[in-house]
Amino acid sequence: DAKTTQPNSMESNEEEPVHLPCNHSTISGTDYIHWYRQLPSQGPEYVIHGLTSNVNNRMASLAIAEDRKSSTLILHRATLRDAAVYYCILYSGGGADGLTFGKGTHLIIQP
Amino acid sequence: DSGVTQTPKHLITATGQRVTLRCSPRSGDLSVYWYQQSLDQGLQFLIQYYNGEERAKGNILERFSAQQFPDLHSELNLSSLELGDSALYFCASSATGTGTYEQYFGPGTRLTVT
Repeated sequence: DAKTTQPNSMESNEEEPVHLPCNHSTISGTDYIHWYRQLPSQGPEYVIHGLTSNVNNRMASLAIAEDRKSSTLILHRATLRDAAVYYCILYSGGGADGLTFGKGTHLIIQP
Repeated sequence: DSGVTQTPKHLITATGQRVTLRCSPRSGDLSVYWYQQSLDQGLQFLIQYYNGEERAKGNILERFSAQQFPDLHSELNLSSLELGDSALYFCASSATGTGTYEQYFGPGTRLTVT
């Protein structure tokens, strides 16, 4: 499986934007970039995903580098509820498989 | 609320026993996935079903099995339970079985083996 690299933890202040980086230099052409997060004592929650173009939804934005070897999840205005572990995952567009979760980035939000 | 339901929420049982975990996917989703989350192994993919058929296997032990029924709900059977099987078990569903679509996770079943 193609691997991703994320910082172990990041800290931000409430109501400020947060940029969570992810490196995936071995990404293949059919891999989608998925982001999930897991709040304490809850199941993982889908955040956003994309293939080549930048994507926006009500939760976040996903900026994908032109060479697709890295991406950034952007939370435009962090709240305390956004404190969670964020996982960047490469997921094949055509293959049958599950998500491969790494250790993710533990995002800490300061009030 | 993701729309994925799992029962029971908690399960406490003894070593050597067998349990069944149940999952109902979101309405319209054809694919169901099972994951295990333990402190030492993190979140691991176990098995995927698509429209009643097994589609992919991950790190699933031979003591574990699953099936997806015609109404698309799924069950994960864990037998000859060991202390190390204590974990959170999550079910997820997606519209299809590819990376084109996102997965939605249920709240999980916490299994404690004593």
